[in-house]
Amino acid sequence: AQKITQTQPGMFVQEKEAVTLDCTYDTSDQSYGLFWYKQPSSGEMIFLIYQGSYDEQNATEGRYSLNFQKARKSANLVISASQLGDSAMYFCAMREGRSGYSTLTFGKGTMLLVSP
Amino acid sequence: DGGITQSPKYLFRKEGQNVTLSCEQNLNHDAMYWYRQDPGQGLRLIYYSQIVNDFQKGDIAEGYSVSREKKESFPLTVTSAQKNPTAFYLCASSIQGGSYGYTFGSGTRLTVV
Repeated sequence: AQKITQTQPGMFVQEKEAVTLDCTYDTSDQSYGLFWYKQPSSGEMIFLIYQGSYDEQNATEGRYSLNFQKARKSANLVISASQLGDSAMYFCAMREGRSGYSTLTFGKGTMLLVSP
Repeated sequence: DGGITQSPKYLFRKEGQNVTLSCEQNLNHDAMYWYRQDPGQGLRLIYYSQIVNDFQKGDIAEGYSVSREKKESFPLTVTSAQKNPTAFYLCASSIQGGSYGYTFGSGTRLTVV
């Protein structure tokens, strides 16, 4: 079974609108972390936001927020007021356990296109 | 500025040849990682290293080899045993976990011709 599932291969949104990118995860660990990365066409991976499993509040970073629903095992990324520069591939990732160097498992990604 | 440097950006290889991808970081990070990215597949872990002179296989290590002789460097060799090496390769590094994710390099696109 996939540990990270991103069900939306592609999403379209108009500039200045909000968009939600879905991510569900599967783990039996009590301690884990969830990450979102952005990959523009240049290929570089850009860290956006992090949510720890014990964090009670949803994480926010500027226009990015993470809608964390622990019981449903979902960690959706919300981008408010989309900009043309938000057009990119977006990846959800998970780190399991308390180990300092446990690796990240990535989903297959969602391509976001923002239109004028 | 600190960061991760991957070179070259583009690499062409003839079938049957080994090729080495370079990854260097000056962030003083202990851990380093190699991921492979194919269209529609996301990122898949090839190898990772938590400390100098030690490394572990990831999910798709067959046909690849690595070394970690220095903290700053984690080169990846794609051997002739790798049957489908054409892909985008990303190197990353990190400090101890928690809220710290990875810092990524800009990637190397390998094409077998």
